[in-house]
Amino acid sequence: ELKVEQNPLFLSMQEGKNYTIYCNYSTTSDRLYWYRQDPGKSLESLFVLLSNGAVKQEGRLMASLDTKARLSTLHITAAVHDLSATYFCAVDADSWGKFQFGAGTQVVVTP
Amino acid sequence: EAGVAQSPRYKIIEKRQSVAFWCNPISGHATLYWYQQILGQGPKLLIQFQNNGVVDDSQLPKDRFSAERLKGVDSTLKIQPAKLEDSAVYLCASSPPEIAVSTDTQYFGPGTRLTVL
Repeated sequence: ELKVEQNPLFLSMQEGKNYTIYCNYSTTSDRLYWYRQDPGKSLESLFVLLSNGAVKQEGRLMASLDTKARLSTLHITAAVHDLSATYFCAVDADSWGKFQFGAGTQVVVTP
Repeated sequence: EAGVAQSPRYKIIEKRQSVAFWCNPISGHATLYWYQQILGQGPKLLIQFQNNGVVDDSQLPKDRFSAERLKGVDSTLKIQPAKLEDSAVYLCASSPPEIAVSTDTQYFGPGTRLTVL
């Protein structure tokens, strides 16, 4: 069974500093997705990573995928309060949309 | 483009009662998913439909949960009878059928928050 582990599960960030969230998974897959969830809201797609070495960037967020290491990272540059949310990674277990989600990383950005 | 619609948004029931949730996917999306998200956890896939056929229901507790997508568009998820541990947010998502070979993803609805007392 595919296991997806995120760490840390909670991240307290200071505004202006850089941080990284890690997503490890247990079986071969080259399709990984990042989502953001605000409290009481649904999931919003951030990035779709489809191959080894894929890198996507949007604003202060950058995601990368290393399929050989079975690792994806979500890097936050110069954190700002608006980035406070829970971030989930999801791995497509069978390449046909069977997503296995990590437990999520709750991010709180403080001044 | 309209997003995934779900109703109701909130539901409170007593244990052993039944409840149903409704989902309308994004127009043209052949694949529909139901997830259960327990507080503090990531979503867990319950069932995946391709048009009106079930692709995967391996994590659906079939003794109490059922789902259907009769005309390949809207879907309903039912719980009967509900247990305390069913308290969660039930999320519906949809995607184009070509998700496996495209840069597309799953798009989520607002969810239904179920509380079982």
